[in-house]
Amino acid sequence: QLQLQESGPGLVKPSETLSLTCTVSGGSINSNSHYWVWVRQPPGRGLEWIGSINYSGNTYYTSSLESRLTMSVDTSKIQFSLTLTSVTAADTALYYCARLWVGRGNYFDYWGQGALVTVSS
Amino acid sequence: EIVLTQSPGTLSLSPGDRATLSCRASQTLSGNYLGWYHQNPGQAPRLLIYGASSRATGIPDRFTGSGSGTDFTLTISRLEPEDFGVYYCQHYGYFGQGTRLEIK
Repeated sequence: QLQLQESGPGLVKPSETLSLTCTVSGGSINSNSHYWVWVRQPPGRGLEWIGSINYSGNTYYTSSLESRLTMSVDTSKIQFSLTLTSVTAADTALYYCARLWVGRGNYFDYWGQGALVTVSS
Repeated sequence: EIVLTQSPGTLSLSPGDRATLSCRASQTLSGNYLGWYHQNPGQAPRLLIYGASSRATGIPDRFTGSGSGTDFTLTISRLEPEDFGVYYCQHYGYFGQGTRLEIK
């Protein structure tokens, strides 16, 4: 059974950089049918797709975060990562990593449990 | 940009009731590529339906997705206690704002 687990600091100061890593277990990250994504959820609010990356390092970012966002993948460690620079309180959210199945459309079929990141001084 | 609008915002029903949730897109969705997810408090979302009408692995047949073009529906035939929570529709990187299904 595929499992994803987020890790990283739970508290980041304003203007600093948020970094999270997702470790994948129980399956391969090397797939032409899947991308690996980050989705965030501010407290009490809905879901926001942030960005996607595949095993080759091809990326897609949401336009609103594109200037601050970098995603990377390490196939040897079966991990992918998120870096978000110049954070503000608006970046406070539960950050989920997930697998994106690229089939008849794109669907998020496996999710991590989420990592709460609070931006505060 | 595609906007997905879900209605109602909140639905209050009892176990055993039938639930009907709506998702309307601001433009025709290519391939009817619409997904539905369920999220319980403190848990990650779970994929229920893909391609507007196909159930994901392990999803019981009381969940039915339908619709095409811009109008889509998720129907839950007989609500079980674990079905309450928030439901989201999704098309590529776009999510609806969610419908909260609460116990009446």
